[in-house]
Amino acid sequence: DAKTTQPPSMDCAEGRAANLPCNHSTISGNEYVYWYRQIHSQGPQYIIHGLKNNETNEMASLIITEDRKSSTLILPHATLRDTAVYYCIVIQGAQKLVFGQGTRLTINP
Amino acid sequence: DTEVTQTPKHLVMGMTNKKSLKCEQHMGHRAMYWYKQKAKKPPELMFVYSYEKLSINESVPSRFSPECPNSSLLNLHLHALQPEDSALYLCASSQLRGIDYTGELFFGEGSRLTVL
Repeated sequence: DAKTTQPPSMDCAEGRAANLPCNHSTISGNEYVYWYRQIHSQGPQYIIHGLKNNETNEMASLIITEDRKSSTLILPHATLRDTAVYYCIVIQGAQKLVFGQGTRLTINP
Repeated sequence: DTEVTQTPKHLVMGMTNKKSLKCEQHMGHRAMYWYKQKAKKPPELMFVYSYEKLSINESVPSRFSPECPNSSLLNLHLHALQPEDSALYLCASSQLRGIDYTGELFFGEGSRLTVL
């Protein structure tokens, strides 16, 4: 069973921030939140991950709520190349990386 | 080098053929994975190798046979496949911390398989 819930699709205007939500209400204390994306006809690409604190890297920011039951991936200035399926995954240690249905993000010019 | 290289990119085979998919990485990763992805669906885990030993088999039919000859290579041998096995086959690798997988997987571009 999927541990995360994401909207099936979202749209965002080019140049604007894209905010992708993810619910993971059953997350346990030692489980991390990972985000991947898959651009059409390519392999999935790791974006970012976090445990409790907000995280930022060159690709995106990850905001995790204080109760850890949800998170938001932020692409600060979306471009057309950010059009992809975005997967939010909850995982810990020896667990398997299992993909849910993800959110299909379309960046519009 | 942060690449996972998969060959061939495209493969067409008949149901009686024997073929292999190959995957290579030189990042020193000791976990390697095979995923299968059907059109418009998320990737599904098939096999995981840890330290060159098969650690996870997600009840995959025996017509798919994985092999990890060394820490850099991963093969998927295919025999007597069915048309419904047509899919994109993705290889990935990651570091291991002891027995724990890290969640940061590096994926290849995939091998697109068509079974006639």
